[in-house]
Amino acid sequence: EAQVTQNPRYLITVTGKKLTVTCSQNMNHEYMSWYRQDPGLGLRQIYYSMNVEVTDKGDVPEGYKVSRKEKRNFPLILESPSPNQTSLYFCASSLGRDRVTKNIQYFGAGTRLSVL
Amino acid sequence: KNQVEQSPQSLIILEGKNCTLQCNYTVSPFSNLRWYKQDTGRGPVSLTIMTFSENTKSNGRYTATLDADTKQSSLHITASQLSDSASYICVVSAITGNQFYFGTGTSLTVIP
Repeated sequence: EAQVTQNPRYLITVTGKKLTVTCSQNMNHEYMSWYRQDPGLGLRQIYYSMNVEVTDKGDVPEGYKVSRKEKRNFPLILESPSPNQTSLYFCASSLGRDRVTKNIQYFGAGTRLSVL
Repeated sequence: KNQVEQSPQSLIILEGKNCTLQCNYTVSPFSNLRWYKQDTGRGPVSLTIMTFSENTKSNGRYTATLDADTKQSSLHITASQLSDSASYICVVSAITGNQFYFGTGTSLTVIP
C-alpha cells in the first residue's frame, strides 16, 4: 500500500530539547516536503526536497533543518524547539515536482507537536 | 505575490443538499490546481487535479471547475453526506519554482 509514514504522531517536549520527526515513503517518490498547519493560516511549506541531497527552503524554514540522504526518508529536525513551533506537521511526497503533470501529492497522517 | 484565497471560511449545510466552494488565485505562471479534502486529525487527500486546458474534473459527487482566465476555481459537492464534513483545501502550483501554494481552506459541516 502506498504510504507516507510519520513518527511520532504526537510529541510533547520542552524548549531547547532537540527533536527529530521522521518521514518515510514507500512509493519511490522524488519530491518530498514538510508543512506546518496552524489555525487560520492553512498549510505552510517549511522545506522541500527535489531528490536525494537536494533540499530547499519553503515559506517558513526558520528554526528547522532537513536532510535527504536516502530517497525514501526526509526527517525534520528542530535543533532548539521553541513554543512558537507548536503546530501540526505534515510530510508529503509526490513522484516529481508536478509542473504540467498530475503527480498526486500524498500526505502523512500528521505529527502534533507541543513545545512547552 | 502568489496567493490562494478560499471562500467561504466555513459552511454548514443539511445532508442531501448541494454546495459550492470557491478558490481564487494569483499564482503565475499557472501550472495546475488541486482540491484536497482533509478530515479532522488526518492528512489532506487529493480529490481533483486540473491543468490549464481543463475546465472541469469530477470525482464521484465532487466536481471541480477551473476558469484560468479569471483565475477562479470552484468545488461543487452534490447530494452531501455526513462524511463530507471536512476541510477542503485549494492548492495551486506554478510552472516555475518548486512550491505549492495553499489556501486556508473551507470548513464544511454537514448536519442531519
